[in-house]
Order: sequence, then C-alpha cells, then structure tokens
Amino acid sequence: DAGITQSPRHKVTETGTPVTLRCHQTENHRYMYWYRQDPGHGLRLIHYSYGVKDTDKGEVSDGYSVSRSKTEDFLLTLESATSSQTSVYFCAISPDRGSGGYTFGSGTRLTVV
Amino acid sequence: QQQVKQSPQSLIVQKGGISIINCAYENTAFDYFPWYQQFPGKGPALLIAIRPDVSEKKEGRFTISFNKSAKQFSLHIMDSQPGDSATYFCAATETSGSRLTFGEGTQLTVNP
Repeated sequence: DAGITQSPRHKVTETGTPVTLRCHQTENHRYMYWYRQDPGHGLRLIHYSYGVKDTDKGEVSDGYSVSRSKTEDFLLTLESATSSQTSVYFCAISPDRGSGGYTFGSGTRLTVV
Repeated sequence: QQQVKQSPQSLIVQKGGISIINCAYENTAFDYFPWYQQFPGKGPALLIAIRPDVSEKKEGRFTISFNKSAKQFSLHIMDSQPGDSATYFCAATETSGSRLTFGEGTQLTVNP
C-alpha cells in the first residue's frame, strides 16, 4: 500500500534464530502497530508505538520486541523464533490516537521450521 | 480474551444476495467501530465505520447497523457481487485510546 512498506514479504527461518521484520512509512504518522494474523484469531496486536522511542505492549507480546529510532521505521524482532510464531505479520499506521482508520502494509509471511 | 466476537467464520452467498456479518463487543467504552476488508495477499483496508450516536450508516451497497443496548453491530452487503469475496473484520476502539481490537474475521464467498 502506498506510504507503508514491509520487508521482507516472505521469510523462512529455523527455530531458535533471531528474526527482524521492518515496517517503513512515508506518511509521517505518529502511531505504528504490529499485528499478527492467524486463522480463527483475526488480527492480534503485538506491540505499538506512539512516537520515537515510545512503545507499548499489545495482547500477544511475549517473545517479541520492537524498536522505533526514527518516525518512519518500526522494527519487530523475534529474539529466538519458535514454530508458534509462524504467522502473517502486518504493520499499520495511524495519524493520531483513537483513529480507527489504520493503513496496513501488505504483510510479511513468516515460517519458522 | 477476545473483546470483539465475530460471526460467522465463513459465509457463502449467491450473486445478488445479502451478506450479513455480526459482531458483539464487551467494552462499553468502545466508541468507534470500523469494518475492514481484506483480499488475499493484501493488508486489510478500511471499508466503513460507525460511531454509537447513530444506529445505521450506509455507503453504497454497504450498511452498518448498530445496537448500543445489545452491544452488537453488523455489516450488511446488499446485492453481493463476486468481487466482494474477501475476508471481513469488524473492530472497535476508544477514541481516547490508541489501539484497535479486531474480531476473528469472516471469509465471504460470493458465487456467480
């Protein structure tokens, strides 16, 4: 989607290895979010950021960490990947709090073998 | 816990029919209810949204009905078309808050 890109689009990794997913935006939005999508669970929030170096946990944050050193970049790290973290990961951006009109990236399909 | 419950999980409708997807929420502080549409290989995209001060909102063939007392809201797709085949998510948030809570999703198939 215009204004937000995720990389890589696909990744296969081995159990126990660290993995970093990147979200890059050109909209200068304050809020950035990482969700994971799994069948039967919908979209679940992992972490979000409300400014540079300001982050908070979502409902499924265990095993994940995030960093935001610049407005445009929000990184999601799996410190030691497990098979349960096989999922499709989406980044989203929003200009302000309480705005339900998120713009989502195209997702990263991560497979942990 | 899932604060927004969505049903059905999957739905098959004939072309020209009405598709109805239902959601229920628990948190009475929620005051903004968007629906997202997702095509395969793409991220979700905002389709239509409603605030609890109105009971219905219509945009083209898409209508949200909202029942505040029952804490339920639904998406109606009139004259459903094969191009509407997608996964639909309801969601809810507090405008004083900073994050959306999503339902589990409904996979809609519209047969030609």
